[in-house]
Amino acid sequence: AQSVTQPDIHITVSEGASLELRCNYSYGATPYLFWYVQSPGQGLQLLLKYFSGDTLVQGIKGFEAEFKRSQSSFNLRKPSVHWSDAAEYFCAVGANNNDMRFGAGTRLTVKP
Amino acid sequence: NAGVTQTPKFRVLKTGQSMTLLCAQDMNHEYMYWYRQDPGMGLRLIHYSVGEGTTAKGEVPDGYNVSRLKKQNFLLGLESAAPSQTSVYFCASTPVRMNVGTEAFFGQGTRLTVV
Repeated sequence: AQSVTQPDIHITVSEGASLELRCNYSYGATPYLFWYVQSPGQGLQLLLKYFSGDTLVQGIKGFEAEFKRSQSSFNLRKPSVHWSDAAEYFCAVGANNNDMRFGAGTRLTVKP
Repeated sequence: NAGVTQTPKFRVLKTGQSMTLLCAQDMNHEYMYWYRQDPGMGLRLIHYSVGEGTTAKGEVPDGYNVSRLKKQNFLLGLESAAPSQTSVYFCASTPVRMNVGTEAFFGQGTRLTVV
């Protein structure tokens, strides 16, 4: 069965610093991959997705992610973090059925 | 355009009580989902629906029932609440199957505490 691992539970970065959030997946075929962001007290919002083509995908709010099949990874990056990026980030993989499996999430804290 | 709306936003139940969570979407989506979110476990699918009048079990369905009598509404019921059902519940909807790469639209969540 498909699964998603986000190795980092909590990450703290300084405002203006670069960011990379890790995501590893387990799935037998080419997966559909997503990154969602959850601001405090809010639902999840889609940042970006990958399902074919260019392995570097651009999303909203200046985020990008790179699909690396050889490493089964889909890491999220941002070159310069803003205080408003503080949130929880979820990686997810689309499954064969109607399900989508989510990682446990990475909470991002941004230091001034 | 409200998107996906969940009611209530907060609720405290006593063990053994019942309640229904309502999810309403105004995007004419066929697919609707109920997830629960627990610390360190991400979101886990409880039940989902592929259209009006249909429901199916997800990853963690025990202790919950659902109904989709109208296309725009997806109800999640707890017949006899247990402390293990303390969680944040999210409803989501999609226009087509979630696994084909479509974006899921989420409600703001319902924080349920069972004491």
